[in-house]
Amino acid sequence: GQNIDQPTEMTATEGAIVQINCTYQTSGFNGLFWYQQHAGEAPTFLSYNVLDGLEEKGRFSSFLSRSKGYSYLLLKELQMKDSASYLCAVRDSNYQLIWGAGTKLIIKP
Amino acid sequence: TAGITQAPTSQILAAGRSMTLRCTQDMRHNAMYWYRQDLGLGLRLIHYSNTAGTTGKGEVPDGYSVSRANTDDFPLTLASAVPSQTSVYFCASSGSSNSPLHFGNGTRLTVT
Repeated sequence: GQNIDQPTEMTATEGAIVQINCTYQTSGFNGLFWYQQHAGEAPTFLSYNVLDGLEEKGRFSSFLSRSKGYSYLLLKELQMKDSASYLCAVRDSNYQLIWGAGTKLIIKP
Repeated sequence: TAGITQAPTSQILAAGRSMTLRCTQDMRHNAMYWYRQDLGLGLRLIHYSNTAGTTGKGEVPDGYSVSRANTDDFPLTLASAVPSQTSVYFCASSGSSNSPLHFGNGTRLTVT
């Protein structure tokens, strides 16, 4: 079956750096997405990786290794507003999105 | 403001009753999706539509139906609600198979 694994919850300190990992086993691969979801709100798009390597976008970066079925989202200079759930999703060979359950990130002052 | 509008925001529904969740987008996206989100689980696809006039079944389609009469609207109907359909429902759209999804604000449904 298809599977996306990410940690359920992580805690980090304001101003620090945190890395959220995602491993996947899917039928084919057509890109990996990261979304941010604040409590009670809709998911919003953060990043997209289709080739191996690092994509940097401001304080957020996303890395992909297709051979390892692995990605991470790196958040730098953490702010309290970064407290949210982070969702990893992979597009399979049928272009359907397979979603992880999300990682709840708690930021402490 | 451009985007996806869902209605209602929340609803309490008696078991056995029917209900239609509305979804409208103004981005002229071809593809639209309905997901449910339950605590501890990833978003699960209920139904999708790649273009107006076509629909397809997702991972959890039982008990739900959809229609796509035009590009903008993609309503989701529960014919006879059951308590296991208590969830948060998100409608989403995308411009192409490689584009990210844009989500509506969700409908919180409680079936009693």
